[in-house]
Amino acid sequence: EVQLVESGGGLIQPGGSLRLSCAASGFTVSGNYVSWVRQAPGKGLEWVSVIYSGGSTYYADSVKGRFTISRDNSKNTLYLQMNSLRAEDTAVYYCARGKSDIVATLDYWGQGTLVTVSS
Amino acid sequence: QSALTQPASVSGSPGQSITISCTGTSSDVGGYKYVSWYQQHPGKAPKLMIYDVSNRPSGVSNRFSGSKSGNTASLTISGLQAEDEADYYCSSYTSSSSYVFGTGTKVTVL
Repeated sequence: EVQLVESGGGLIQPGGSLRLSCAASGFTVSGNYVSWVRQAPGKGLEWVSVIYSGGSTYYADSVKGRFTISRDNSKNTLYLQMNSLRAEDTAVYYCARGKSDIVATLDYWGQGTLVTVSS
Repeated sequence: QSALTQPASVSGSPGQSITISCTGTSSDVGGYKYVSWYQQHPGKAPKLMIYDVSNRPSGVSNRFSGSKSGNTASLTISGLQAEDEADYYCSSYTSSSSYVFGTGTKVTVL
């Protein structure tokens, strides 16, 4: 059974850093593309980043240069390193698996972890 | 990358059909077949309902169907049921190798 479990969220001051983790089971993060999507309180979904099986990474303009997506194949875990955090980064962050052989389609999602950026 | 445009809300009575539109540009919706639709109930994670414009994942009811014309994709829910009340988001691949979501549509079953 495919499962994704996010962790690492919490309250952080503006300008601070946080690393989110997403533990995957039932598939390998190295063999699939995996993405981060966020949702600000009461708002819509916003795509954040993706890492492909070959290692290529892409980011939304809103986080480019501040966030870094990575994975640890030995731990089957996805990460999102978030630096220079701003109030507008406050959101629930979801990790999601890309559907095999289908472009830009996220077929399994975690339950999300809340990041609150506030002083 | 600007969000795709969806109506804020759509409503219908049980048994009726409703259609949600998703308008983008030639750099996203109009340029690729990679349009997906997600359903999200309050406090829950999104669920994939349609991919590649019109394909349904295993387990998704055939009451859900998708289509595309030019820069606008559409999701139709036929035989509307109470359990269909949720937020719906479209998504597309883009020419900059990124993804973009729609603004979201709240579906209300009257």
